[in-house]
Amino acid sequence: IVLTQSPATLPLSPGERATLSCRASQSVRTSLAWYQQKPGLPPRLLIFDASHRATGIPGRFSGGGSGTDFTLTISSLEPEDFAIYYCQQHSDWPLTFGGGTQVEI
Amino acid sequence: QLQLQESGSGLVKPSETVSLTCTVSGGSIVRTNDYWGWIRQPPGKGLEWIGTIYYSGSTYYNPSLDSRVTISINRFRNQFSLRLNSVTAADTAVYYCARGQSGGYPPYHYLDVWGKGSTVTVSS
Repeated sequence: IVLTQSPATLPLSPGERATLSCRASQSVRTSLAWYQQKPGLPPRLLIFDASHRATGIPGRFSGGGSGTDFTLTISSLEPEDFAIYYCQQHSDWPLTFGGGTQVEI
Repeated sequence: QLQLQESGSGLVKPSETVSLTCTVSGGSIVRTNDYWGWIRQPPGKGLEWIGTIYYSGSTYYNPSLDSRVTISINRFRNQFSLRLNSVTAADTAVYYCARGQSGGYPPYHYLDVWGKGSTVTVSS
């Protein structure tokens, strides 16, 4: 299953709303996760099962969608949110990741 | 608090084998809801799932690497390991181990706890 993320780069300012897209080549039901990665660090799980926030993730992060179209929304960007975001489907083998969206200042 | 730590070969020659071990601390590797996976990230690129093992020993591999990958588990040492043979420069990457959790459809899983990563460089 191929996951296509858009846009590749998202230039925004602190306080703005970020909307990231992930599109699957076939239905993954609601089996989609989102990760945040900063330079030199491993990915951090934000969202699983399309809309469930992982433990300790702030409420400004929300996920939605089902089937083939998914969205990660950051309601008001904090300085620490500027990073690369990846989606991953957990619906079928092989597990696959999208190419990433870089949220930059 | 569950923690994962990778260890193993850092510099490997082409055609040789990469061997990495992930040590799990703060919890048992023998848990019915947990899966143990390897993921890699070439320099400046995205993430690629390599494979996963369940505590029972069942394994799931990425077909793109299937013929070269072996993942094993040592329940007594609370460790799981990766071997990737016949490496080339294209296998240069940061290799992560991670815990997998299934949503509604096991054994497919997302990855909720990650190690810090181990850099593997393939070069003569």
